[in-house]
Amino acid sequence: DAKTTQPTSMDCAEGRAANLPCNHSTISGNEYVYWYRQIHSQGPQYIIHGLKNNETNEMASLIITEDRKSSTLILPHATLRDTAVYYCIFETSGSRLTFGEGTQLTVNP
Amino acid sequence: SAVISQKPSRDICQRGTSLTIQCQVDSQVTMMFWYRQQPGQSLTLIATANQGSEATYESGFVIDKFPISRPNLTFSTLTVSNMSPEDSSIYLCSVAGFPGYTFGSGTRLTVV
Repeated sequence: DAKTTQPTSMDCAEGRAANLPCNHSTISGNEYVYWYRQIHSQGPQYIIHGLKNNETNEMASLIITEDRKSSTLILPHATLRDTAVYYCIFETSGSRLTFGEGTQLTVNP
Repeated sequence: SAVISQKPSRDICQRGTSLTIQCQVDSQVTMMFWYRQQPGQSLTLIATANQGSEATYESGFVIDKFPISRPNLTFSTLTVSNMSPEDSSIYLCSVAGFPGYTFGSGTRLTVV
């Protein structure tokens, strides 16, 4: 089965960029990579997604390597409210999302 | 994106009983998804619910334990049957939308 690998935890200083890596070496050519975050066991919140090209929206940027085996989520100016668990996810056939274990990002003042 | 209302938000139940969780969406959607999040862990897909057909269950989940109803395009229920303490988890529903999938706020279930 498709699987993502993320560091268990990361720290970032407030105001600095947070770069969260994800390995997905088994991804297939038509599987999207999604990033979500979850705060205090609330429902996961959509951040961004992509297939091949780099993507940017008002929340973050997504950098996908050319071979699609890894990606990086970038929060350009982290705030304390960005402290959360960040999930790198595959969207496989049938719109099924396969969650990895996630990265606990802690933004420090 | 869609707005999901999930009820109840939390419950404490006796072992051997059943709990039905409701998921209401503010727009019509083809597929609804049910996830389980065990304490300290990531989310795992339980099943996909399409209106007018039986739900499709993932490996490790069975209909007798997690029966699902999908009576129309805006509503679904998940029942956790014959509960044991191992069923203590957060249960979430989700729908596909734009730009991504939307999740409900979850039902925190504790079985005692």
